[in-house]
Parts: sequence; structure tokens; C-alpha cells
Amino acid sequence: EVQLVESGGGLIQPGGSLRLSCVASGFTVSSYYMSWVRQAPGKGLEWVSVFYSADRTYYADSVKGRFTISRDNSKNTLYLQMNSLRAEDTAVYYCATVLRDMLTMDYWGQGTLVTVSS
Amino acid sequence: SSELTQDPAVSVALGQTVRITCQGDGLRGYYASWYQQKPGQAPVLVIFGQNNRPSGIPDRFSGFSSGSSASLTITGAQAEDEADYYCNSRDSSGNRVVFGGGTKLTVL
Repeated sequence: EVQLVESGGGLIQPGGSLRLSCVASGFTVSSYYMSWVRQAPGKGLEWVSVFYSADRTYYADSVKGRFTISRDNSKNTLYLQMNSLRAEDTAVYYCATVLRDMLTMDYWGQGTLVTVSS
Repeated sequence: SSELTQDPAVSVALGQTVRITCQGDGLRGYYASWYQQKPGQAPVLVIFGQNNRPSGIPDRFSGFSSGSSASLTITGAQAEDEADYYCNSRDSSGNRVVFGGGTKLTVL
């Protein structure tokens, strides 16, 4: 059974950093594209980043230069390093597997809440 | 980047058919996928590709794409279908993803 479990969220002051983790089970992350999607309180889904390979990673304009997506195959884990956090980054962050069509997200984790506030 | 536009809210009588639409120039080159999200839960994929349903999704859900628009149709809506629905696709670069703003479906 495919399972994704995110962790690492919490309360952080503006300008701070957090690293989110997404541990996968039931499949190997090296065989899948993977993405981060976030949802601000009461708002819609917002795509954040995707990992196709070590040299093919992409970001939403809103996070480019501040967030970094990475993957550790030995730990079967996807990461999102978030720096220079802003109040508008407050959201539930989901990781998801992405099909080869590079847009369909077939499995989702339960999400981890990041709150950026002083 | 390309934007995807959805109606904010749609309602349907129990057992009737409802269509939820998604519009954007990016859809001219790529299919849309559709996700259902209930309060406090993660999104669930319901339609992808030309008109594919993941295992476990009822066949009352179907998808259609044409030109710059895509639609999700629920034929015989059930009370449990009340949820937010999101479309997504690739942006104009082809490398990034974009989501529609979501449609809140109410089953009356």
C-alpha cells in the first residue's frame, strides 16, 4: 500500500527556516516524480515544487529562490527546505506522487501545517 | 505561467447531473486532472488523462477536454459527492503545474 507521511511543520517566525520531510512507503521514491502542494487556511490548492530528477526541479514563482526540493533515495524520503519564510507561506503542505504525464498527482500525504507568525 | 479558471460554487439536486468546468490556455496542450477534497482531508484524484478513473472512484465521475476547457461531470450526484473540486494541468512552460481556484459543490 502506497503511503506518504509528511512531518516537520510547526510555528516559525518570519525570516526563519524549516525543513519538511515526506517519508514514502509501498514504493520507491526514485521511481516516481514527486511534488509539494500547499493550501493556505480557507484557500485553494497551490502547487509549490516538483522533483523530476536531481537536475530537473521546478518551483512556483512565489517560492523560487527561497525553497529547495530534494530527495534521499536511501531514506525513501522527499524534502522541502524552506528559507526566508513569510506570513503568506502559512499553509498545510502536502507531498504527492506525480505520474509520467507530469501533472497528475495520484497519491497524497495527509499534510503538515506550517504557521509563519511572530 | 498559465492560469486555470473555475466557477467558485455549483449546486446540484440529489441524483441529478452536474458539470464542473475548468478553463485556461494551458489546456490546449495538456489534459486536466481533477481532485476531490472534503473538509479536513487531503485531495483525492478522481479523473486524469483523457477520461481515466483511479481504482475505487465511482463510474458516475467522468471527464472531458476540448480546446481550452475541461470538465468534470458527475452523473447522478450523491450526498457524499459534496466537496471542493480542483482541476490542474501544466503551465505554458510544460515543466510546472498549475491548479484552478476550486469549485465548491453543494448537493441539495
